[in-house]
Formats: sequence, C-alpha cells, structure tokens
Amino acid sequence: AQSVTQLGSHVSVSEGALVLLRCNYSSSVPPYLFWYVQYPNQGLQLLLKYTSAATLVKGINGFEAEFKKSETSFHLTKPSAHMSDAAEYFCAVTGGYQKVTFGIGTKLQVIP
Amino acid sequence: GAVVSQHPSWVICKSGTSVKIECRSLDFQATTMFWYRQFPKQSLMLMATSNEGSKATYEQGVEKDKFLINHASLTLSTLTVTSAHPEDSSFYICSASLRTRDSYEQYFGPGTRLTVT
Repeated sequence: AQSVTQLGSHVSVSEGALVLLRCNYSSSVPPYLFWYVQYPNQGLQLLLKYTSAATLVKGINGFEAEFKKSETSFHLTKPSAHMSDAAEYFCAVTGGYQKVTFGIGTKLQVIP
Repeated sequence: GAVVSQHPSWVICKSGTSVKIECRSLDFQATTMFWYRQFPKQSLMLMATSNEGSKATYEQGVEKDKFLINHASLTLSTLTVTSAHPEDSSFYICSASLRTRDSYEQYFGPGTRLTVT
C-alpha cells in the first residue's frame, strides 16, 4: 500500500522568495516519488522524479526535491519564485509498478 | 519525446448520450494506459488501468458498464462514457506508461473537459 500527504492545499509566496511545498509518503516497498505540475485546464507535466539514485533530485524550471527516508519526505523547493510558477503541484508515489498514487495537490500562488 | 494526446479537448453533450474520448501515445508504444478523473480543485482519481489487448482493470467504485475502456492498439486507448448524466461532468485525463531504465514513467495527456447538460 502507498499514500501521499501534501501539507497545505494552498501556499502563497512573494515573487523572488523561496518556494517550499511539502510531501510525505507512505509505502510498503522502496518508493519511487514524483512531482507534477498542472496549469489550469491542462494535463500534468513531470517536474522531477526520485528512483533510488541520488537523494537530491533536480528537475525542470529550477525546482529540486530531496528524498529523506528517515522523515519519509520528498519536499519540493525552488530558491526564487517566478510568476510563471503559479500552478497546482502534485506529489505522487509508486512502488516501482505502474500504478501511481497522487496527493491532493498544493496550489501555489505567487504574489508580485 | 513521449507525447500523449487526447481528443477532444472539450465536449458538451446532452444527458443520456454517449461520449468517446481518445488517448494516443504519439511517439512511443504503451502497453498500459491509465484513465483519471479530476473534480474541480481536487486530485486525480484513478478510474481504470487500460491494458493493450485485454480487459481494463477498474478501481473500486467505478462502474465498468458506464465507463467503457478499449485499448485496441499500442498507441490508442478510448474511454466511452455511456448514458452520460450531469454528475459525469468532469475533467478526464489519460496517461501512457513508458518503461525507463529503472522505473516506469507516466506521460499525461492534456485532458478532456466533459460537460453534460
């Protein structure tokens, strides 16, 4: 069984400020973890993924995430928020199989 | 690479009619595709797993007779919403699974907005 908890359904940051979106997971097997971004009325785009290689994963658009097994976390960060980062972000987990479990999503608002 | 398309992008239909949504992997073959449903301001809910050449596997609570899935080729899966009702109005998203070196990666279509009047 696997699950994902995203803390904070809405996060607001000022443009240029640090972005931190939290994700904790639960998995009975070593997990593969993903962050996706969704813009309004669009599908999901993969930001980055962790597949048991390096624990610090760099993705597109300046985002990165760190896998911390002891904390069962995979938080998403970006040093400096841009207006174009405003979107919905989903953390997801899979046990290495194809079926993916998504978190409820975090809506990121960037304030000018 | 790894592009998934959906057609149509939006559709409005009358209650009681059926609607077919297509999901295509444009530049890779996908033996497995997934269909999700997303309600406003909510996460994606997996409806079913579509396997090429075999019957789809539905998640608990999803009516297989209402949401017909066909995966006739390695690049095409279709979802047919039969006898649609207003409560079926939603955003439907498909994904196609691509095996990478060390895992599977899902590529998502742009979604189909269904409105049943």
